[in-house]
Amino acid sequence: DAKTTQPPSMDCAEGRAANLPCNHSTISGNEYVYWYRQIHSQGPQYIIHGLKNNETNEMASLIITEDRKSSTLILPHATLRDTAVYYCIVRVLNTGTASKLTFGTGTRLQVTL
Amino acid sequence: KAGVTQTPRYLIKTRGQQVTLSCSPISGHRSVSWYQQTPGQGLQFLFEYFSETQRNKGNFPGRFSGRQFSNSRSEMNVSTLELGDSALYLCASSLAYPDKTNEKLFFGSGTQLSVL
Repeated sequence: DAKTTQPPSMDCAEGRAANLPCNHSTISGNEYVYWYRQIHSQGPQYIIHGLKNNETNEMASLIITEDRKSSTLILPHATLRDTAVYYCIVRVLNTGTASKLTFGTGTRLQVTL
Repeated sequence: KAGVTQTPRYLIKTRGQQVTLSCSPISGHRSVSWYQQTPGQGLQFLFEYFSETQRNKGNFPGRFSGRQFSNSRSEMNVSTLELGDSALYLCASSLAYPDKTNEKLFFGSGTQLSVL
């Protein structure tokens, strides 16, 4: 699976959009971009994933650049409850390795009043 | 629908002992995977079970083992505990149907193991 690079920490004011970048310059054509987050003392929580098109769900939006070498997770209106470590994961998907995620160090997002 | 349930939530053991952790997946989920989280190494994949068979294994010594029962519930065992085994052990479940390749994982809250 391709390696990812994320900033170690970011701050965001409550109510503003949080934009979390992820670099995955060695991504292959068959690798997906996944985002999970981990709130303190809890297990990771799935947020969103995509292959090459932008994706949006009730939690966030995922913007993948045309060359797929980087992506941005957008939380449109961050709240204090969004304070967490956000992990960007790039992985090939097949039924044999679906559950094997390689987590990096992630970005610690601090949402403040 | 109930989430992934892990028991116990906290556990204290001493070096040399063994420990068994339990995980009940979301109803209908057939795949259960285990992860270890430490401050130094982060989240690392231990192994995955599907239909009572180990399907994937991470880079951990043989002291770490697991199994899955016919109802998809899973246990992991660590024998001859070492201080470095102190960690948060997380279990995740997924549907893992053979024709679906983009399954998301649902994690439990973990078992915090302290080895003294």
